[in-house]
Amino acid sequence: EPEVTQTPSHQVTQMGQEVILRCVPISNHLYFYWYRQILGQKVEFLVSFYNNEISEKSEIFDDQFSVERPDGSNFTLKIRSTKLEDSAMYFCASSPRGPTNEKLFFGSGTQLSVL
Amino acid sequence: AQSVTQPDIHITVSEGASLELRCNYSYGATPYLFWYVQSPGQGLQLLLKYFSGDTLVQGIKGFEAEFKRSQSSFNLRKPSVHWSDAAEYFCAVRSGNTGKLIFGQGTTLQVKP
Repeated sequence: EPEVTQTPSHQVTQMGQEVILRCVPISNHLYFYWYRQILGQKVEFLVSFYNNEISEKSEIFDDQFSVERPDGSNFTLKIRSTKLEDSAMYFCASSPRGPTNEKLFFGSGTQLSVL
Repeated sequence: AQSVTQPDIHITVSEGASLELRCNYSYGATPYLFWYVQSPGQGLQLLLKYFSGDTLVQGIKGFEAEFKRSQSSFNLRKPSVHWSDAAEYFCAVRSGNTGKLIFGQGTTLQVKP
């Protein structure tokens, strides 16, 4: 079965630094998502993206966060100035047909540690 | 506001025993409900989903779940657990029109030999 690929699997950064988390969604998918899971907490929705623009974002997704699909294959999440509380597992997901499609395919995640 | 509650943070069962993981949801309209499983080092894999129709849905790996509107529940079951089922299980409800999922806290399943 095709997979969503995320790199790196682990990222360590200093507080205040910028990080870019990378995802390669499944090739014919049109809708893309980022979720995160802080240790011991629920998986939380961050943002959904379709047709090169954000379709929905949560209150977590403030001005420090941005997403981009730079080249038609990658889907990135940028955190401009990381905070300690950004430490979490970040999951990318994609789906072929969007809101009415029932299945999101998730990557295996990037564990971000902010020191 | 929509929410999902998984009352059991951690469950331990013996291999071969039956399993039921609880999930309660709060959602105004007809919910679209999901169960995902996460094995260590892996992404979230869809086990099964409920959109409409038959309230007992079958999924992969021998799992099933029953939607009970009167109880706002969508419990996951398996008649005989295998050691490879040890993982974390997440119940989720789809919210709104963008495919956003709201997840429960997750239940960690441990399987004793």
